[in-house]
Amino acid sequence: EVQLVESGGGLVQPGGSLRLSCAASGFTFSSYWMSWVRQAPGKGLEWVANIKQDGSEKYYVDSVKGRFTISRDNAKNSLYLQMNSLRAEDTAVYYCARGGVGCSSTSCPIPTWFDPWGQGTLVTVSS
Amino acid sequence: QSALTQPASVSGSPGQSITISCTGTSSDVGGYNYVSWYQQHPGKAPKLMIYDVSNRPSGVSNRFSGSKSGNTASLTISGLQAEDEADYYCSSYTSSSTQVFGGGTKLTVL
Repeated sequence: EVQLVESGGGLVQPGGSLRLSCAASGFTFSSYWMSWVRQAPGKGLEWVANIKQDGSEKYYVDSVKGRFTISRDNAKNSLYLQMNSLRAEDTAVYYCARGGVGCSSTSCPIPTWFDPWGQGTLVTVSS
Repeated sequence: QSALTQPASVSGSPGQSITISCTGTSSDVGGYNYVSWYQQHPGKAPKLMIYDVSNRPSGVSNRFSGSKSGNTASLTISGLQAEDEADYYCSSYTSSSTQVFGGGTKLTVL
């Protein structure tokens, strides 16, 4: 069974840092793009970042560029999101998600959909 | 990157069909056949329902269908059932190699 389990959320003061983790199982982690998507309380979904299967390409939403860093450790089947200079507007449930179709030996397309998703981890930025 | 535009709410009676629209620009919805739709029940993670405009993942009911015309994509649910009541989000690939979601639509089954 494909499974994604996020951890690392919690309460942090404005300007602080937090590192989220996502443990993957049930599929060949090193063959997929991975993503972070967040959802502020009572609000809609917002894509945050993508990372290619080998970490060579990363993309971010403008609002987190320079503050958040997506990374992965394929040996540990794990995805990470380092969040620095946190703001109140970063308060959200953060989901990790597998990106689209997997990579082959000749092709590794940017994901055009996300499936499956983890259960999410709540990050609250408040003093 | 501006969010895609969805109606805030739609409703329908059991057995009826409803359609949720998702409007973007030529830089996202209109420029690529890469629109996906997600269903989210309260307190749960989103679930992929449609990908690449009109494809259904294995296990998703054929009551769910997707289409696109110009800068607007649509999700149609036929034969509405009580369990379809949820929030629905569209998403599109963009010309910046990023993704953008719609604001979400709350479906109420009357």
